[in-house]
Parts: sequence; C-alpha cells; structure tokens
Amino acid sequence: NAGVTQTPKFQVLKTGQSMTLQCAQDMNHEYMSWYRQDPGMGLRLIHYSVGAGITDQGEVPNGYNVSRSTTEDFPLRLLSAAPSQTSVYFCASSYSPGATTDTQYFGPGTRLTVL
Amino acid sequence: AQSVTQLDSQVPVFEEAPVELRCNYSSSVSVYLFWYVQYPNQGLQLLLKYLSGSTLVKGINGFEAEFNKSQTSFHLRKPSVHISDTAEYFCAVRGSYGGATNKLIFGTGTLLAVQP
Repeated sequence: NAGVTQTPKFQVLKTGQSMTLQCAQDMNHEYMSWYRQDPGMGLRLIHYSVGAGITDQGEVPNGYNVSRSTTEDFPLRLLSAAPSQTSVYFCASSYSPGATTDTQYFGPGTRLTVL
Repeated sequence: AQSVTQLDSQVPVFEEAPVELRCNYSSSVSVYLFWYVQYPNQGLQLLLKYLSGSTLVKGINGFEAEFNKSQTSFHLRKPSVHISDTAEYFCAVRGSYGGATNKLIFGTGTLLAVQP
C-alpha cells in the first residue's frame, strides 16, 4: 500500500491564483481530512469527509473548497490564494468516521507559499 | 469541547538522558488521548494512544505515556533518548463519544532537540 499520498510536495503561488492540492489513499478509508500546520499553532482542521459525496467544514474552512467524488481522493481547492494561506498542508485518513479509537494516517504534506 | 496544552515549545536534551514532554487537556467528557511524532519534512505518525485500561501506555521507539485523570495530563516519557528522536511531538485529544463531528484536537507541538 502507498498509504496517503499528496501532490505536489512544494508549490509557490501568487496572490489571487487558484490551485488544487491532491490527496489520495489506497486503504479504503471512509474518513479523510485536511489540516494546515502553522508555527506555534499545531494542526488545524480545514475540511473533512465521512465518505464519498459527504463533506463538512472544520475549524478554518474559509478560502478552501473540497469535494469527495470517490473514496480514494479528497482534493483541496484554494479559490483565490492569499498570503495568509502560506502553510504546510496535511491530508489524513482513517477507517471509520465515528470510531473514536481510529488512528489517523497522514500524508507527507504540501508546503505552500503564497507571495 | 476539548483542548490540549503543550507547555513546552522546545525541549533540548543530551543524548542518553531521560526526557518528559508535557501535555495537559481539558474536556467535559471522557477522552481518548494520542501522541503523534513528526520527523523533519515528514507527515505525522502515531506514537501511542490511551483508550482505556492501564494508565501507562507503551508506544513505539521506547516511548511511554501516563494518563492521569485527576491532573488531566498525558505526559510522554523516554528513559534514554537518541539523536534520531529529534522531531516534533504532538499531543491530541478526542472525546470518547461516537460520531463524525467528534474531532481530533491537536496541541501546538513540542520540538525535542537531542544533542550529542
């Protein structure tokens, strides 16, 4: 299994540009989520999905869109990039959305810089 | 709602010395507790978790943590660290009730810097 994969690893955008961060998992996990990691702030949940066709907002959803058309993929879209979105983005997945004992598996991250 | 506090943003320690990384949580419900480790330029991986039962939990790479309900703490310990333990460590909490809205809440992280 490849686990959770993310592309690209690095990206530089100009203010106002849009882009999509890709996330895929091959573990047949129902639950997928996106976090951003900023210095001194830990990981904050952006959006999550409990299965194909179902998404919901996390703690910091503004400026981001998601969709979940398949179990495997959970892309994160930046509609109009802003410098405040400079961060490291992590995708994570786990078996069941309601199972509180589940371990979340993280991708390697995408480092995004918005100029 | 739950919250997590990691009081130390950075912990420098010499190789082969013991270390303790502190984590305190607040919650109005029963919780499950987790420690994740992030090596440089990598994603997070689970180190250990407390769900129920024995309050002393053993994880990978010789780490262990003790759940203390009265002090609402879940400190991470290792009796002898190695250079390879240099990483950022995140404590996380989740309510023990079910449902997709039950989020995993992370602390701000502690950078463990092991020096030779």
